[in-house]
Amino acid sequence: QKEVEQNSGPLSVPEGAIASLNCTYSDRVSQSFFWYRQYSGKSPELIMSIYSNGDKEDGRFTAQLNKASQYVSLLIRDSQPSDSATYLCAVNMNSGAGSYQLTFGKGTKLSVIP
Amino acid sequence: DVKVTQSSRYLVKRTGEKVFLECVQDMDHENMFWYRQDPGLGLRLIYFSYDVKMKEKGDIPEGYSVSREKKERFSLILESASTNQTSMYLCASSPPGPPKYEQYFGPGTRLTVT
Repeated sequence: QKEVEQNSGPLSVPEGAIASLNCTYSDRVSQSFFWYRQYSGKSPELIMSIYSNGDKEDGRFTAQLNKASQYVSLLIRDSQPSDSATYLCAVNMNSGAGSYQLTFGKGTKLSVIP
Repeated sequence: DVKVTQSSRYLVKRTGEKVFLECVQDMDHENMFWYRQDPGLGLRLIYFSYDVKMKEKGDIPEGYSVSREKKERFSLILESASTNQTSMYLCASSPPGPPKYEQYFGPGTRLTVT
């Protein structure tokens, strides 16, 4: 069964610190990886996508991908209280007819303490 | 910007009623999805569609049906609402890929069945 695993948290970090969110996936042939942010009571919002090994930076966010280890992470620099949310990792697991589906992790709840 | 809209933010229905949830996207995306999200269970795929009039069952299709008569519109139908269908319902759309399988979510419909 194809799975995406995340630590449910909560992960608490002080304001201004780096928050590190991790995700592992089971399907070695996965090609596309995404991070979503979901505030309480709201829908998921796409914040990062990454397709190649290495780092991808966008403002305070950095996504890191290591396909050999089947591991993807999200770093949030200079964390702000407004970053407090649940972060969902999503992976496209190439499964033939359903290859456009994403498999979502259950999310990590981040709390940034002022 | 991609925009996905859903017909209602909050909905209250009685057991046994037929319920229609509508979703419209304005990005000419081929793929559309219906999820439900419950605490502790994460996002669960109900149905998806990769083309007009095409549909595929997701992980939890029982008690639901869908309709896609036009590319921009994807409807979820609860044939006979039950209390265990009380949930947050999320619609999403995505381009056909590869590798761009990122999904964009609507604001969600919180359905309560009494």
